[in-house]
Amino acid sequence: DAGITQSPRHKVTETGTPVTLRCHQTENHRYMYWYRQDPGHGLRLIHYSYGVKDTDKGEVSDGYSVSRSKTEDFLLTLESATSSQTSVYFCAIRENRALDEQYFGPGTRLTVT
Amino acid sequence: ELKVEQNPLFLSMQEGKNYTIYCNYSTTSDRLYWYRQDPGKSLESLFVLLSNGAVKQEGRLMASLDTKARLSTLHITAAVHDLSATYFCAATHNTDKLIFGTGTRLQVFP
Repeated sequence: DAGITQSPRHKVTETGTPVTLRCHQTENHRYMYWYRQDPGHGLRLIHYSYGVKDTDKGEVSDGYSVSRSKTEDFLLTLESATSSQTSVYFCAIRENRALDEQYFGPGTRLTVT
Repeated sequence: ELKVEQNPLFLSMQEGKNYTIYCNYSTTSDRLYWYRQDPGKSLESLFVLLSNGAVKQEGRLMASLDTKARLSTLHITAAVHDLSATYFCAATHNTDKLIFGTGTRLQVFP
C-alpha cells in the first residue's frame, strides 16, 4: 500500500464549514497528490506537491488549498465547504523510480450537507 | 491540453468471452498507465507502458500502446467474475501530472 494513510476516512460536514483532510506517507516520497473522484469524471487532480512547501495547482483547484510543511504530510483544506465538493478524495504518491508510478491511499469520503 | 477518453464506459460480458477496452489520448504522452478499482476501494496499479509497441500481460489482462495512433488497449481474455471492477487508463504529458479517463465499469456474469 506504499505506506499511505488518509484521515479521516469518512466525514459529513455542513456547507460553509472549513474542512481539512490529511495524507500521511512513511516512505519519504517527494511527490504527493490530491485527487477527487466523481461519477462520470474519473479522477481529477486538485493540487500536487513536489517537495516541502512546493505545491502547484491541478485541473480542479478552485475552492481548495494545500500545505506541506513536512515530507510525510500533505494537507488539503476546503476553506468553506460547498455541496459541489461532496466527493471521494484520494491522496497519491509518486515513486522515485523509472516508471514514475503513482500509488493511491485508501480515500476519504466527504459529504457536504 | 491532454485529454483522455475511454470506451466503452460500461461493459457487461459473459464469463469465458474476450473483450477490449480502448483508451485514446489527445496529445503526446510520455507514458500510459492502467489502474483497477474495486467498488469502495482505492486504485491498484496494473500496467505502465513506456514506448510505442509496448505490450504487458498479467494473467488474463494484456495492455498495449500505439503512440502513433495515441491509443492504448486493455484486452481481457476468457473473462472470469474476479475481473469485475472499474478500469482506468491515465496518460501524462510530463510525469508530474496524470490525466485519467472516465473509467470502464466491467461486469462479468456467468
